[in-house]
Amino acid sequence: KQEVTQIPAALSVPEGENLVLNCSFTDSAIYNLQWFRQDPGKGLTSLLLIQSSQREQTSGRLNASLDKSSGRSTLYIAASQPGDSATYLCAARQGAQKLVFGQGTRLTINP
Amino acid sequence: EAGVTQFPSHSVIEKGQTVTLRCDPISGHDNLYWYRRVMGKEIKFLLHFVKESKQDESGMPNNRFLAERTGGTYSTLKVQPAELEDSGVYFCASSQESGLVFETQYFGPGTRLLVL
Repeated sequence: KQEVTQIPAALSVPEGENLVLNCSFTDSAIYNLQWFRQDPGKGLTSLLLIQSSQREQTSGRLNASLDKSSGRSTLYIAASQPGDSATYLCAARQGAQKLVFGQGTRLTINP
Repeated sequence: EAGVTQFPSHSVIEKGQTVTLRCDPISGHDNLYWYRRVMGKEIKFLLHFVKESKQDESGMPNNRFLAERTGGTYSTLKVQPAELEDSGVYFCASSQESGLVFETQYFGPGTRLLVL
């Protein structure tokens, strides 16, 4: 049974810092891994999707990496801004259909 | 292009009542998913439709939950009778798979259900 873990549960950093969010999964047989952000009371916004054959994906200040063999993915945020404050979720695509989610990392960027 | 929409945004009902949640996927997306987050837990998969057919309903908690997708467009999730432990946020997502490439799942804003 796939289990996805995100550490830390919460992170607070000053504006302008580069930071890394971690995601680990127990079963390396995944089809892809997706990173989302969720703002309070809102739905999930897809940030990046990395297919199992890929090592990383980039979008603007965001870079996500995937290492299937070690069961890890990271989300790198460059030059953080207060608007980046949100909960970040990773989800592993399992069984070609469902996403298995971590509990998320609550990120706060302090001005 | 409109995203995934869900109705209602919030619902407060009493234990034993019935509630029906609706999801309209992105136009043209054949794949529709339901997920749920209960308090303090991670988001968990409930079921998956391809057009009007249920492909995987392994995450449905019990037979009080019934999902339908008549005509392969919008979907409903009915909870009857509702119990206290059904409280949570119900998310719908859709995707358009292309061959062997597994595409992004786009999520709706969720329906916040509170059973009293």
